[in-house]
Amino acid sequence: NAGVTQTPKFRVLKTGQSMTLLCAQDMNHEYMYWYRQDPGMGLRLIHYSVGEGTTAKGEVPDGYNVSRLKKQNFLLGLESAAPSQTSVYFCASSYVDRWIRPNQPQHFGDGTRLSIL
Amino acid sequence: DQQVKQNSPSLSVQEGRISILNCDYTNSMFDYFLWYKKYPAEGPTFLISISSIKDKNEDGRFTVFLNKSAKHLSLHIVPSQPGDSAVYFCAAREEYGNKLVFGAGTILRVKS
Repeated sequence: NAGVTQTPKFRVLKTGQSMTLLCAQDMNHEYMYWYRQDPGMGLRLIHYSVGEGTTAKGEVPDGYNVSRLKKQNFLLGLESAAPSQTSVYFCASSYVDRWIRPNQPQHFGDGTRLSIL
Repeated sequence: DQQVKQNSPSLSVQEGRISILNCDYTNSMFDYFLWYKKYPAEGPTFLISISSIKDKNEDGRFTVFLNKSAKHLSLHIVPSQPGDSAVYFCAAREEYGNKLVFGAGTILRVKS
């Protein structure tokens, strides 16, 4: 079972460059999320999606864009990378059924370590 | 303004003893709480959760306690094993919401 797969695992960018992080899940989950993890700050939500074709802002959305064209994929884009975006990025997905099984955990990928010089 | 706080950055415990990790929250609208475990270079892995209608949930060596009046939850690991050494994150979800708020994490070291 692959679960949540993130590519690439590592990347070094120069300030001003752009890139896209890919997240793919094979669990048929409706909800998908992008987080960043910085030292001493836990995980902070960047953007999330409640279904194919939908996206919404999280706690720290500035400087990032996302797209959910297919249910299984959630893309995170950096249009003009800045050193402050150096971080470890995690993607997660979750199943949602408010009436029968309302409490479901999020499942995480192994992260993308991004350094911006 | 941290809604979920893990005030102990690290904890060291002897193998076989109990590990107690603590978490405090400020938002009374949180109704679902989770603990995640994270090893280096891996993603967080779901460990155990508790709904706000309960005060205790057990799963093998892991027990989570919730004190709603104090807005406090704790994770007990008994007995602790060296393989439990990891970073533990507490997370909470708002009622009717779908987003999690995470604490900063506690590094647990279990010494053999």
